[in-house]
Amino acid sequence: NAGVTQTPKFQVLKTGQSMTLQCAQDMNHEYMSWYRQDPGMGLRLIHYSVGAGITDQGEVPNGYNVSRSTTEDFPLRLLSAAPSQTSVYFCASRGTSVYNEQFFGPGTRLTVL
Amino acid sequence: GNSVTQMEGPVTLSEEAFLTINCTYTATGYPSLFWYVQYPGEGLQLLLKATKADDKGSNKGFEATYRKETTSFHLEKGSVQVSDSAVYFCALSDPGNSGGSNYKLTFGKGTLLTVNP
Repeated sequence: NAGVTQTPKFQVLKTGQSMTLQCAQDMNHEYMSWYRQDPGMGLRLIHYSVGAGITDQGEVPNGYNVSRSTTEDFPLRLLSAAPSQTSVYFCASRGTSVYNEQFFGPGTRLTVL
Repeated sequence: GNSVTQMEGPVTLSEEAFLTINCTYTATGYPSLFWYVQYPGEGLQLLLKATKADDKGSNKGFEATYRKETTSFHLEKGSVQVSDSAVYFCALSDPGNSGGSNYKLTFGKGTLLTVNP
């Protein structure tokens, strides 16, 4: 199993550009989520999904869109990039039990100029 | 709501020193508790977990005991190594009143540990 994969690893955007961060998992997990990690802020939940076709907002959803058309994939879209979205983005997946650990991807480092 | 509070870092230790990273939590139900570790340039990975009161999670020489009476889950290691240098996150998963279907994890802000030779 590859686990949770993310692409790209690094990305530089100009203000106003749009892009999609890709995330895929091969563990048949129902629950997937996107976090951003900023210095001194820990991990902040952007959006999450509890299954195909079901998504919901997390703590910091503004400026981001998600969709979940399959169990495996959970892309994160930046509609109009802003410098405040410079961050490291992590995708994660988890099984349905509250006892299950969350598996993280390797992250995407995004810089918005 | 749920919350996790970790001791603020950074923590700097010499090799073979004793490590404690404090973690306390607030939850509405009976949460499961986790410690995750993030090595430089990598994603988070599970270090250990405990799913009920008085459980002790352990892995790679690290231990943490789920203390319901003090709502704590402190991480300890008797003798740290340079390779333990990383950021450590405490987290909880709380079924709350949702019949066990609350999938979200609540994370602390992380504690940076640096171990010097």
